[in-house]
Amino acid sequence: QVQLQESGPGLVKPSGTLSLTCAVSGGSISSSNWWSWVRQPPGKGLEWIGEIYHSGTTNYNPSLKSRVTISVDKSKNQFSLKLSSVTAADTAVYYCAREPVNNAFDIWGQGTMVTVSS
Amino acid sequence: DIQMTQSPSSLSASVGDRVTITCRASQGISNYLAWYQQKPGKVPKLLIYAASTLQSGVPSRFSGSGSGTDFTLTISSLQPEDIATYYCQKYNSAPLTFGGGTKVEIK
Repeated sequence: QVQLQESGPGLVKPSGTLSLTCAVSGGSISSSNWWSWVRQPPGKGLEWIGEIYHSGTTNYNPSLKSRVTISVDKSKNQFSLKLSSVTAADTAVYYCAREPVNNAFDIWGQGTMVTVSS
Repeated sequence: DIQMTQSPSSLSASVGDRVTITCRASQGISNYLAWYQQKPGKVPKLLIYAASTLQSGVPSRFSGSGSGTDFTLTISSLQPEDIATYYCQKYNSAPLTFGGGTKVEIK
């Protein structure tokens, strides 16, 4: 049973960089899946941030592309998110999720709340 | 980029009612459409993929239909445990956009 677990600081200062990691357990990150990040501001809807394949190929939300970097560490079976120049608008619950090739997000992490504040 | 528009944004229905939520894509996406259920304070859960295929373990009162640009999620008989916000999502190609959500409440 594949499980995903997000980790990282819960508080980030404005203009700083948000960094999160998603650890994959119960399966290999090198399997036939893309791996995504999704966020949800308090009281609002879901926003897709971007995705990565184990080869390192990435796709990003155009609205965030200039600030986002997603990377994969196959040796640690995990992938990571970096979001730079954060503002209060980046305050959200951040989820990682698995997307089998040509399919929907079938497994999600529990989510981690990140607050941008000084 | 393709936009996903859900309607209504919220609805109130009685237990046992048939509930229908629609999702419209601004361009055709074939059947690369998923529906998720998110209960308050919980993680989104995949209900339906490929527009009409029920994810394993999802009650049969949920069903999906549509192709191209117009899609529907139907709950045949609303149950108290179905109180949640429902999201559609396109996944044919990036960006993998979500709809704005439909909040379902009990009348």
